[in-house]
Amino acid sequence: DAGVTQSPTHLIKTRGQQVTLRCSPKSGHDTVSWYQQALGQGPQFIFQYYEEEERQRGNFPDRFSGHQFPNYSSELNVNALWLGDSALYLCASSPHGGTYNEQFFGPGTRLTVL
Amino acid sequence: SQKIEQNSEALNIQEGKTATLTCNYTNYSPAYLQWYRQDPGRGPVFLLLIRENEKEKRKERLKVTFDTTLKQSLFHITASQPADSATYLCALTTDSWGKLQFGAGTQVVVTP
Repeated sequence: DAGVTQSPTHLIKTRGQQVTLRCSPKSGHDTVSWYQQALGQGPQFIFQYYEEEERQRGNFPDRFSGHQFPNYSSELNVNALWLGDSALYLCASSPHGGTYNEQFFGPGTRLTVL
Repeated sequence: SQKIEQNSEALNIQEGKTATLTCNYTNYSPAYLQWYRQDPGRGPVFLLLIRENEKEKRKERLKVTFDTTLKQSLFHITASQPADSATYLCALTTDSWGKLQFGAGTQVVVTP
């Protein structure tokens, strides 16, 4: 079992550009959550997808959007990038709709905005 | 406002001793609390989960306590080893869907 995988590993963009990050959940998991982790901080919840729908959303602007595919994989899109979006973006998956379960995190995508 | 606070200063500890980390929260009613380990540049790794009606959980050299009256969790690493050096994150969940709200983490450094 490969666990949670994310791509790409690193990404460098300039202000105003758009980015798409990808995540494949652990086998058997149907719920995917995305987190943003700034340097020296804990991860901040962006949103969660279940049954191809955004089920919960954290305090992030509409520039952050996502999608979940029928195979449970997910994408995170960020439009109009600005310097403050530089962070480690983490994908986490869990089984059974995420109910009362630990989450399995991927290695993250390091996004740098110049 | 809601806060999750962990010791911001790194915890330096000698090999073989017990490391104790604190997680305090305000204005939350968590259904359960989790602890994760994170190594530099890597994603968090789940360690332990404790529910609101549980007082203590153990797993090998790890122990976590949960006091909903004090609004505090303590995380213990007994017989610490240099391989335990990492940042440890406390995370709360207040709903059944698993949304995690993290503290900033405490760095632990175990020296031989």
